[in-house]
Amino acid sequence: DQQVKQNSPSLSVQEGRISILNCDYTNSMFDYFLWYKKYPAEGPTFLISISSIKDKNEDGRFTVFLNKSAKHLSLHIVPSQPGDSAVYFCAAPDNYGQNFVFGPGTRLSVLP
Amino acid sequence: DSGVTQTPKHLITATGQRVTLRCSPRSGDLSVYWYQQSLDQGLQFLIQYYNGEERAKGNILERFSAQQFPDLHSELNLSSLELGDSALYFCASSVGGSINYEQYFGPGTRLTVT
Repeated sequence: DQQVKQNSPSLSVQEGRISILNCDYTNSMFDYFLWYKKYPAEGPTFLISISSIKDKNEDGRFTVFLNKSAKHLSLHIVPSQPGDSAVYFCAAPDNYGQNFVFGPGTRLSVLP
Repeated sequence: DSGVTQTPKHLITATGQRVTLRCSPRSGDLSVYWYQQSLDQGLQFLIQYYNGEERAKGNILERFSAQQFPDLHSELNLSSLELGDSALYFCASSVGGSINYEQYFGPGTRLTVT
């Protein structure tokens, strides 16, 4: 079964600096990955995606990198802002490519 | 606002009881997903419906069931509730039924079983 790990439960970064959130997965049959952001008392919101045809996807201050050989994703936020403080989930396809398996999340705190 | 609505926002009930959670997808979305998020855990996929039909099943307990109605809203029924069922339950919707479509999440229903 697909397993998705986010080994840092929390991360604190100074405003203006780079935030790097990491994610590892086990099954690479379907290479399409998502990052979601979640604020307290709200549902997750889609942030950015990446597929195997690229190893990098950029959207404003957010960039996701995919290392297929290492089965590793990272999300870079530059520059980090206090409003980026949230829980970030990465998601990878299940073994059948039908649905996504979500990681446990990393709580990012951006300090002013 | 994602356009996905969930009711109720909060629900407190006793062990052994049955509850129904309701979800209305975004206008035009045919697929509805249900997820459970327990304390300090990620989102656990429960079940997916596409245009009224069950499309995929995750780690959904036999005590739980769901359906999607002709108007595309969905209900998640939880019965014989146990303390461990206390969690946030999220509904998400997407236009299509595969992973190629972005999922939009509702605000969630917080269930507390006492």
